[in-house]
Amino acid sequence: SQQGEEDPQALSIQEGENATMNCSYKTSINNLQWYRQNSGRGLVHLILIRSNEREKHSGRLRVTLDTSKKSSSLLITASRAADTASYFCATSLAGGTSYGKLTFGQGTILTVHP
Amino acid sequence: DTGVSQNPRHKITKRGQNVTFRCDPISEHNRLYWYRQTLGQGPEFLTYFQNEAQLEKSRLLSDRFSAERPKGSFSTLEIQRTEQGDSAMYLCASSRDFGSTNEKLFFGSGTQLSVL
Repeated sequence: SQQGEEDPQALSIQEGENATMNCSYKTSINNLQWYRQNSGRGLVHLILIRSNEREKHSGRLRVTLDTSKKSSSLLITASRAADTASYFCATSLAGGTSYGKLTFGQGTILTVHP
Repeated sequence: DTGVSQNPRHKITKRGQNVTFRCDPISEHNRLYWYRQTLGQGPEFLTYFQNEAQLEKSRLLSDRFSAERPKGSFSTLEIQRTEQGDSAMYLCASSRDFGSTNEKLFFGSGTQLSVL
């Protein structure tokens, strides 16, 4: 089974609202990353948070990490219709030799209605 | 445009046929990864190369799968005797090995394989 579990599986909101997606994982990590995927396309890296960080911001994105609960959240503020996509969390396992060998969650499908 | 190029974008084949996909990574990236993604799921790691050396393979990569990266540039992924269960999106990603624990990946648009 995959390391990351995401919640909710699907999220539908109106433009301008905030969107929050959650991710849980099972083992110790080096870092946790969030990627975005438009339908039928590859993934685009959004943000990376290290295991010793608790919060990180990038533009309209805010990521939190709670290593004691093995969970992370991604907040997209002031959403736009163009934010419609699938969002995946991915973890890089601690002690690994390849830090690009990521374990992905199942993703959250975000739909933003104009 | 991330700069990682994958060809073909779509491949339809009959069960039992062999298929080969190509990935051209970002030129200065020395690490190259292959992932597989089925509908409604996140990508799953298959294998990765550092330069021309294949350093790790997932248990998902059966004997029918082989990947190469001659000269440490482009990579090919071949599937022999395809099965319907091989139908998936095959994603290639590359990264530059900073020697840090904070490696991020640049993905191509993928090759969608349909085995009939």
